[in-house]
Amino acid sequence: GQSLEQPSEVTAVEGAIVQINCTYQTSGFYGLSWYQQHDGGAPTFLSYNALDGLEETGRFSSFLSRSDSYGYLLLQELQMKDSASYFCAVAAGNTPLVFGKGTRLSVIA
Amino acid sequence: KAGVTQTPRYLIKTRGQQVTLSCSPISGHRSVSWYQQTPGQGLQFLFEYFSETQRNKGNFPGRFSGRQFSNSRSEMNVSTLELGDSALYLCASSLGLAGGAGELFFGEGSRLTVL
Repeated sequence: GQSLEQPSEVTAVEGAIVQINCTYQTSGFYGLSWYQQHDGGAPTFLSYNALDGLEETGRFSSFLSRSDSYGYLLLQELQMKDSASYFCAVAAGNTPLVFGKGTRLSVIA
Repeated sequence: KAGVTQTPRYLIKTRGQQVTLSCSPISGHRSVSWYQQTPGQGLQFLFEYFSETQRNKGNFPGRFSGRQFSNSRSEMNVSTLELGDSALYLCASSLGLAGGAGELFFGEGSRLTVL
């Protein structure tokens, strides 16, 4: 089977940088995705890493290390609107995306 | 381009009843996946349909079923509702099979409350 581990909650100050880690166990790994979900909203796609290294998209970056079965989402210049839940998800084999339980990020002034 | 549309957005049922939820994917998307979301449990996979065929099924009892039509619209049904079925049911669409490129487009969900 597949499993993912990510912290349940993270709190950070507005303007700061926060890193949300995700470790996974799976076979036939293709890649790691990240999704953002605001309260009452739909999950929205942020990034997908299939290869090792850092992918940057504006204030958000995502990193993958396939050898360590580890990835992280980095949010820079935090804004209040970044307060949301963040999910990592694994794409593997012929199976659908499997999601972690999510990390609730609270950005405080 | 319209997004993924789910109906109804909210519904209340009583134990023992059944419910049907509907999902219209983004135009051109052939894959539809369903997930159940409950507090603290993340998104639990229910089923995935591609070109009217169920490609994957999650670890849910047989009371949960689904189907996909030729226009890619999908429905899921839950029979003999239990209190524990109260959840947000999310539908997501993608061009190809959902696991392939890691990108799903989600609808706003159908929030089911079972009393």
